[in-house]
Amino acid sequence: DTGVSQDPRHKITKRGQNVTFRCDPISEHNRLYWYRQTLGQGPEFLTYFQNEAQLEKSRLLSDRFSAERPKGSFSTLEIQRTEQGDSAMYLCASSLTGGASGNNEQFFGPGTRLTVL
Amino acid sequence: EDQVTQSPEALRLQEGESSSLNCSYTVSGLRGLFWYRQDPGKGPEFLFTLYSAGEEKEKERLKATLTKKESFLHITAPKPEDSATYLCAVRSKAAGNKLTFGGGTRVLVKP
Repeated sequence: DTGVSQDPRHKITKRGQNVTFRCDPISEHNRLYWYRQTLGQGPEFLTYFQNEAQLEKSRLLSDRFSAERPKGSFSTLEIQRTEQGDSAMYLCASSLTGGASGNNEQFFGPGTRLTVL
Repeated sequence: EDQVTQSPEALRLQEGESSSLNCSYTVSGLRGLFWYRQDPGKGPEFLFTLYSAGEEKEKERLKATLTKKESFLHITAPKPEDSATYLCAVRSKAAGNKLTFGGGTRVLVKP
């Protein structure tokens, strides 16, 4: 099964450290999304890419967050100078533009659980 | 701004006791309403997409319906393995390609 994969699955870091997460989308999908989910809440949109272009960023995404998708395949999400409020599950999803449904269902990976001490 | 509200927040059912989950939404130009299932510590698993009022989709013991203001997820004769959090999300013309999620309904089915 070549679903969405994320690495690492868990990350514990100290406040002020930088962390980087990786997402590998479903191979033929050209759109890639990042969401953040805190305990007991639904996922919140952070940003998305179409191929290598970052097309939208949420107001939630502070200057400490940066995402890249250099070759239109995998993506990285970096958080600089982490804060305790960054503790959350970071989810990646991918979709195919113009799929049979025309509505681009998003398929999610297992997530990266970040804990900032 | 798109808004999605799910109710109830939590639901405890006996095995075989059918029930319904509600998802109320406010969007500008609905381009799809999505249901996902999420198990603890895992990412959401896609279940259904509904595009227009009156549409229905079914999968095993689950059936999703859509009106102009809300969607229902009906669980018929649930089993313990149906225990999970069920998330509803919308995609709209105004918001582009992002999904706006509700807070989810946590379902526990007891044997």
